[in-house]
Amino acid sequence: QMQLQESGPGLVKPSETLSLTCTVSGGPISGSRHYWGWIRQAPGKGLEWIGNMYYSGTTYYNPSLKSRVTISVDTSRNHFSLRLSSLTAADAAVYFCVTTWPSIHAFDFWGQGTTVIVSS
Amino acid sequence: EIVLTQSPGTLSLSPGERATLSCRASESVSSSYLAWYQQKPGQAPRLLISGTSNRATGIPDRFSGDGSGTDFTLTISRLEPEDFAVYYCQQYGSSQYSFGQGTKLEIK
Repeated sequence: QMQLQESGPGLVKPSETLSLTCTVSGGPISGSRHYWGWIRQAPGKGLEWIGNMYYSGTTYYNPSLKSRVTISVDTSRNHFSLRLSSLTAADAAVYFCVTTWPSIHAFDFWGQGTTVIVSS
Repeated sequence: EIVLTQSPGTLSLSPGERATLSCRASESVSSSYLAWYQQKPGQAPRLLISGTSNRATGIPDRFSGDGSGTDFTLTISRLEPEDFAVYYCQQYGSSQYSFGQGTKLEIK
């Protein structure tokens, strides 16, 4: 059973860059055909897909965030990461790392989520 | 971008009753790529159903999904106390994903 765990700063200043990491346990990222991604949820709001990285290395991002987002994978550390630049208060949310199995394109495994506050 | 609209926004029912949740898409969605999630307060969402009607591992058979094209439904046949939560539908198409705004299922 795959398990995901997010880590990163809980507080980020406006205009700065958010960096989050998702550590994967229960199997190696290398060679896995899962897609690795991020979803966020603003306080009291619904779910917003941020982006996915495919096992091939191709990335796909939500068009509304594309200019500010980078998702990358580090197979040596068995984790993948999210970078979101030029933060504003609107980026405050719980950020979840997720996996997607390519045949179903549904998010089958989720991290517990990490809360990000944007404030000076 | 495909927009998913869920209805009702809030559904008030009693344990033992049947719940029917709707998800309507702004354009046709492949039935292979329509999923449903359950989220309880303070928790990550949990995948219930993928491919419109395929229950995820460990999901009780009181949960069922149906639909095609632009109209999809999640049905909970007999509500248990642990079923009261927020439910989201989600679609995939053209390398993009989107979610509905959610339906809150509350105890009447």
